[in-house]
Amino acid sequence: DTGVSQNPRHKITKRGQNVTFRCDPISEHNRLYWYRQTLGQGPEFLTYFQNEAQLEKSRLLSDRFSAERPKGSFSTLEIQRTEQGDSAMYLCASSLSWGGDNSPLHFGNGTRLTVT
Amino acid sequence: TQLLEQSPQFLSIQEGENLTVYCNSSSVFSSLQWYRQEPGEGPVLLVTVVTGGEVKKLKRLTFQFGDARKDSSLHITAAQPGDTGLYLCAGGRGNKLVFGAGTILRVKS
Repeated sequence: DTGVSQNPRHKITKRGQNVTFRCDPISEHNRLYWYRQTLGQGPEFLTYFQNEAQLEKSRLLSDRFSAERPKGSFSTLEIQRTEQGDSAMYLCASSLSWGGDNSPLHFGNGTRLTVT
Repeated sequence: TQLLEQSPQFLSIQEGENLTVYCNSSSVFSSLQWYRQEPGEGPVLLVTVVTGGEVKKLKRLTFQFGDARKDSSLHITAAQPGDTGLYLCAGGRGNKLVFGAGTILRVKS
C-alpha cells in the first residue's frame, strides 16, 4: 500500500490554458474524492466517484471542470480555460464505502496549481 | 457560512503549554473526524468520534464529542514543536465529508 498518489505536485500555467491532474487511490478503495483547498481554508468538496460512477458534483464545479474515473481505479481532473481564481491546492482522497459517513479519507499530497 | 466553525483560527504558544481548539456546528453529525495537515501535504486522520459524550485519547491529544453531537474539542497537553500544523474537523454529509476552516497551531521551542 503506497497511499494515494497525485501528479504533478506543482503546476504553473497561463490563464486560458487547460490542465489535467491525475490521482491514483489506494488500490482496494472504491471511493475517490476531489477537494480544493485555498490558503487559510479547509478542503472544499468538488466531486466523488464510487467505482467508475461519478455520484455527486458540487456547485463549485463549473462546466470548465471535468473529472473521470474510467476503470474505477485512477482518476483525472481537467480544468479548461483556466482562470486566476482556479489557483489552489487540488486534493484527492480515497476511502472504502462500507463506513458511510464515518469512513476516514486517505488524502494524497495534492497538486498545487498556480495560474498566472 | 461554514457548516463547521473552528476556533481559534490561529494559535501560537510556547512548548510545554496546554491548549484546546474547538469545532462547533448548529447541525447534528453522526460522527466527527479530526485531521492534521502540514504545509505541502494532505490532511492525515487523527481520530473519529462517533458517540455523543465520547472521549478519545491519542497520547497527549484528547478529543471529545459533545453530548448533542454538534460540537467537538481537541485538547493538547504539553505541546511540542512537532504538533505544529493545521487542525481540521470534518463531519459527514451524505457520502462526503465537509470540513471546517481549521485552526493553525504554531508551537515555539
